Amino acid sequence: DAKTTQPPSMDCAEGRAANLPCNHSTISGNEYVYWYRQIHSQGPQYIIHGLKNNETNEMASLIITEDRKSSTLILPHATLRDTAVYYCIVRVAPNYGQNFVFGPGTRLSVLP
Amino acid sequence: GAVVSQHPSWVICKSGTSVKIECRSLDFQATTMFWYRQFPKQSLMLMATSNEGSKATYEQGVEKDKFLINHASLTLSTLTVTSAHPEDSSFYICSASLRSRGLAGVKWNEQFFGPGTRLTVL
Repeated sequence: DAKTTQPPSMDCAEGRAANLPCNHSTISGNEYVYWYRQIHSQGPQYIIHGLKNNETNEMASLIITEDRKSSTLILPHATLRDTAVYYCIVRVAPNYGQNFVFGPGTRLSVLP
Repeated sequence: GAVVSQHPSWVICKSGTSVKIECRSLDFQATTMFWYRQFPKQSLMLMATSNEGSKATYEQGVEKDKFLINHASLTLSTLTVTSAHPEDSSFYICSASLRSRGLAGVKWNEQFFGPGTRLTVL
């Protein structure tokens, strides 16, 4: 699986959009970009994933650059409950029998 | 979405004892489950892949005789930490993949993670 690079930490004001970047310059054509988050002392929670088109769901939007070498997770209106570590993972997917490889992620702090 | 549960959510035990952690997929069947370990302020590290009806596959550096994995059914995998020591204190997390059938055939969906089990060995 291709490796990803994320800033170790970010702050965001409550109610504002949180934009979390991820670099994956060595991504292969068949690898997807996944985003998970982990709130303190809980298991990781799936947020969104995409291949090359931008994706949106009830939690967030995923913007993938045209060359697919980077992406941005957008939380449109961050709340205090969005404070968590956010993991950007690239992998061949969907792949039932393959685990996820977690990097250090970005620790997002939403400030009141 | 699919739900994965773990039991217990936390456990404290004495050094030298064994502890069993259960991972259940509540509303779907999971042929494959994964066990991760997470130390404070670190990321998740894969310990082993648990396959229903066969032996688990362990990652390099993980002692299979110390971390016993049993995946006896399509909804249950167990991790037993044998002869636990303080250095085994950690947050243990399992995950399972949901397989569903879409219009184009079988579709593999994202993995769902359990809430984790915090083990403290005194």
